Amino acid sequence: SQQGEEDPQALSIQEGENATMNCSYKTSINNLQWYRQNSGRGLVHLILIRSNEREKHSGRLRVTLDTSKKSSSLLITASRAADTASYFCAKPQGGSEKLVFGKGTKLTVNP
Amino acid sequence: NAGVTQTPKFQVLKTGQSMTLQCAQDMNHEYMSWYRQDPGMGLRLIHYSVGAGITDQGEVPNGYNVSRSTTEDFPLRLLSAAPSQTSVYFCASSYRGSYTGELFFGEGSRLTVL
Repeated sequence: SQQGEEDPQALSIQEGENATMNCSYKTSINNLQWYRQNSGRGLVHLILIRSNEREKHSGRLRVTLDTSKKSSSLLITASRAADTASYFCAKPQGGSEKLVFGKGTKLTVNP
Repeated sequence: NAGVTQTPKFQVLKTGQSMTLQCAQDMNHEYMSWYRQDPGMGLRLIHYSVGAGITDQGEVPNGYNVSRSTTEDFPLRLLSAAPSQTSVYFCASSYRGSYTGELFFGEGSRLTVL
């Protein structure tokens, strides 16, 4: 069964606004990853955050991890139309290399 | 730099037919995996491999076969296609022990079973 779920399922914002997506999970993890998928394409790795990290930045992306709440969030600041995509969180299953993906958040950034 | 290459990109099968989805990577990655993506279901792991000669089942392995005879290739075989196997299939690979834990994905193979 899938370990985590993203919410919201869909998000529509205007260019320049910030977008926040959340990911919850059920069992302990040693890291959590975020991926992006443009329509009709494969997934692309965005960022990995380890269980001993609370926040990580990459360009306009900010990822936070709250292990006590078993949740993570992805913030995209100053969004652009090119950020329109689906975003997935992924977690290792049972300490293995197998990654379990959530169902994703579909982000639409309107110009 | 090709990365992960999947063929074919599109395929239509009739129920009961068999076929092989090809996946090749040129990054010398030990770990390779196959996922299927269905609307509203996200990605589900079918099979994976941590090196040549080693394969294991994921979440939804029934109806699929894999083998890993070389580091580069990880084909996925559908033994007797069923309409429930209509999906988009993604192959992904990674370097074991990578600090970033990054999975590299192919562009997908879109399969329709009639």
